[in-house]
Amino acid sequence: DIQMTQSPSSLSAFVGDRVTITCRASQSIGSYLNWYQQKPGKAPKLLIYGASSLQSGVPSRFSGSGSGTDFTLTITTLQPEDFATYSCQQSYNIPYTFGQGTKLEV
Amino acid sequence: EVQLMESGGGLVQPGGSLRLSCAASGFTFSSYAMRWVRQAPGRGLEWVSAITGSDGTTDYADAVKGRFTISRDNSKNTMYLQMNSLRAEDTAIYYCAKRTFTVRTGIHYYYMDVWGKGTTVTVSS
Repeated sequence: DIQMTQSPSSLSAFVGDRVTITCRASQSIGSYLNWYQQKPGKAPKLLIYGASSLQSGVPSRFSGSGSGTDFTLTITTLQPEDFATYSCQQSYNIPYTFGQGTKLEV
Repeated sequence: EVQLMESGGGLVQPGGSLRLSCAASGFTFSSYAMRWVRQAPGRGLEWVSAITGSDGTTDYADAVKGRFTISRDNSKNTMYLQMNSLRAEDTAIYYCAKRTFTVRTGIHYYYMDVWGKGTTVTVSS
């Protein structure tokens, strides 16, 4: 199975900050990498697919980059509604593994 | 509006069974592959199972293979997860999700764009 490792596991930031979350795959997955946002008690929400494509309706302050084994999710100008947990997921092969999540806190 | 709604969760004893349902609306259900994803308390997301839209080809995570069965009834716009021989470690919120894809530079990129609100399964004596 492909292991997905996110760093950091938690992150404190202020409204207006720029933050970067990293996701590393245990083997090359091309650009088969998705990012999800999850708020407490809610279902995950798709942010980024194919490593860098922004899902419709997601604010442009979210962006993704990377290929192969190393990927990043960047949020510019943090808004209060962005404090949540972010998870990466590989769609390269089964099982479609997720990272352990990064909790973004105020 | 595209929607998914899970049902069927509850409290069950170890070794017991449950059947989860996922009712879909707002899109052509038979045209899309579907997935089950779970989240144990305080843990990350875990992909559980997948089923294609038309021919019903299935896949499972090793942790549930041989115990869980995914199926769908396209005439009812509903997907199911039959869970047998349940264990404490199956305790989780179970989400169903619609899988779609986008073609970019000739490559198909797959992702889950719509999720249900989840249904809670608790396995405990």
